Amino acid sequence: DAGVIQSPRHEVTEMGQEVTLRCKPISGHNSLFWYRQTMMRGLELLIYFNNNVPIDDSGMPEDRFSAKMPNASFSTLKIQPSEPRDSAVYFCASSSYGAGDTQYFGPGTRLTVL
Amino acid sequence: DQQVKQNSPSLSVQEGRISILNCDYTNSMFDYFLWYKKYPAEGPTFLISISSIKDKNEDGRFTVFLNKSAKHLSLHIVPSQPGDSAVYFCAASDGTSYGKLTFGQGTILTVHP
Repeated sequence: DAGVIQSPRHEVTEMGQEVTLRCKPISGHNSLFWYRQTMMRGLELLIYFNNNVPIDDSGMPEDRFSAKMPNASFSTLKIQPSEPRDSAVYFCASSSYGAGDTQYFGPGTRLTVL
Repeated sequence: DQQVKQNSPSLSVQEGRISILNCDYTNSMFDYFLWYKKYPAEGPTFLISISSIKDKNEDGRFTVFLNKSAKHLSLHIVPSQPGDSAVYFCAASDGTSYGKLTFGQGTILTVHP
């Protein structure tokens, strides 16, 4: 079975550019989570969705960050404009809420903003 | 307010010996606890979990212990192997919030041959 799929795996961009990270959750999962991992803050929860509806975006650091989930099999995290301090690894995870809270993570996107 | 804490940033163990990773929590509403393992350049992978109705759960070399009165859980790896070297995160859920997990900061485990 395919796990959580994220693309791209690596992204290098220049400050001020728009960045879009993509995630395909595990089929049948109804909750989706976006995390950011940095050395200073560890794993930070940015936003999560249930049944494609954003539930809590209080972890989104600034208005430059936005996320969407147009359908059950796709989500995006967008940063516009990007800044060097956004450099981190971004993870997407999905779970089947109501059938256990185990989240399954994608391989992550390593973002470098120059 | 850090509701899940892993106070040891790192742990070094000899191959074949026991590794004990610890985790403390403050939220008494947490009722489900998980351990994840993370290798460099990969996403965290689920390792083992325990419900608050139990005090122990075992899966092969991995055992998780839960002490609800102390709000403490631990992961025992016996025997430790070099391939166990990774970052270990504990996480907790209160059963609501659509599956949201609260993670600790992680402990880097190094198993020396």
